[in-house]
Amino acid sequence: EIVLTQSPGTLSLSPGERATLSCRASQSVIGNYLAWYQQKPGQAPRLLIYGASNRATGIPDRFSGSGSGADFTLTISRLEPEDFAVYFCQQYDGSPWTFGQGTKVAIK
Amino acid sequence: QVQMQESGPGLVKPSETLSLTCAVSFSAISSPHYWGWIRQTPGRGLEWIASVYHTGTTFYNPSFESRVTISIDTSKRHFSLNLTSVTASDTALYYCARQRSEWYNDAYDLWGQGTMVIVSS
Repeated sequence: EIVLTQSPGTLSLSPGERATLSCRASQSVIGNYLAWYQQKPGQAPRLLIYGASNRATGIPDRFSGSGSGADFTLTISRLEPEDFAVYFCQQYDGSPWTFGQGTKVAIK
Repeated sequence: QVQMQESGPGLVKPSETLSLTCAVSFSAISSPHYWGWIRQTPGRGLEWIASVYHTGTTFYNPSFESRVTISIDTSKRHFSLNLTSVTASDTALYYCARQRSEWYNDAYDLWGQGTMVIVSS
């Protein structure tokens, strides 16, 4: 099973700042089969990025994904008030599909 | 806009079988996607349980495979999950979700709102 480790656990930033979230896999994720989700309290996860760097439909371009192999990054270029949430990465390269434990982006 | 809605018992007794259903709007369930179940707990986070293709092909997380069955009924526009021999550790928020494409390995681009299941006597 591929274990995903996200860091930091909590990121405290102000609106307008840049957020950089990390997701490290216990082994290489072949084909960059890595997704990022945003989850707000009381809501289901929302797909932001698939294939490590492809934005899902309707996702603003301030969200970008990068990385390959075992190291991936989600960047939010300028935080908007609605971006403060928990973010999860997920790999769908090797079964079982697994998720990271999440990074909370909190208002500073 | 395709929508998904989970339904379930809310409360299940230990050792019993948990049955969940996900209703999919319109005829979207017949489209070439995998449909899956994912659960979330504060302690274990998000866990993928199983997926089913619109043709009925299934795909299971080995951690659940001995206890779980996923099925699809396109005529009723829903797919279902049965989880046997539940314990307190199966207490979770259960989501149904759709994978982006016809590939068995893809991200989940559409989610239901989730249904809470508590296992308790």
